[in-house]
Amino acid sequence: ETGVTQSPTHLIKTRGQQVTLRCSSQSGHNTVSWYQQALGQGPQFIFQYYREEENGRGNFPPRFSGLQFPNYSSELNVNALELDDSALYLCASSLSWGTDTQYFGPGTRLTVL
Amino acid sequence: KNEVEQSPQNLTAQEGEFITINCSYSVGISALHWLQQHPGGGIVSLFMLSSGKKKHGRLIATINIQEKHSSLHITASHPRDSAVYICAATGDGTASKLTFGTGTRLQVTL
Repeated sequence: ETGVTQSPTHLIKTRGQQVTLRCSSQSGHNTVSWYQQALGQGPQFIFQYYREEENGRGNFPPRFSGLQFPNYSSELNVNALELDDSALYLCASSLSWGTDTQYFGPGTRLTVL
Repeated sequence: KNEVEQSPQNLTAQEGEFITINCSYSVGISALHWLQQHPGGGIVSLFMLSSGKKKHGRLIATINIQEKHSSLHITASHPRDSAVYICAATGDGTASKLTFGTGTRLQVTL
């Protein structure tokens, strides 16, 4: 059983650009959640996907969007990057939504200049 | 007021000490999670509990549903326990989003 992986590890972008972050869930996990963690803060829930459909969303603007694919991979897309988008982005997969344990990836550190 | 609050924010202990980290929440939950985050970002799930107590090695987690309070205990602490410990709640009746506390930074010294 492989763990949750994320790519890239680090990324530097400039304001106004667009970025795609990728996550590969554990095999068999049909739920993936994305979180944003600003420096010194706890993670904040962005959204969750269950069987390729959005299954809940936190307080993030529409320029944050996602996709989940049948092969247990998923993407987080952020358009029109702002300086405040600089953060660690974490994905977490679980067998199903509800109260299952979530398995976290190592994160992608995004810096917006 | 945050929905999930932790105390203390920072904790320094000597090797061997018994450590307690507290978590209070103000919303209905279906489960309470304790997570460990090491420098560099990786998060590991330690416990998920909805009642009572769980133990794994030197770690013990308890929850009191009536008082909306949970504690994480570390017995015989060791420098390798140094990390940020985060409690997070899964709300009831919603998608399984985690609402996180701000974390407790633990440093265990020799």
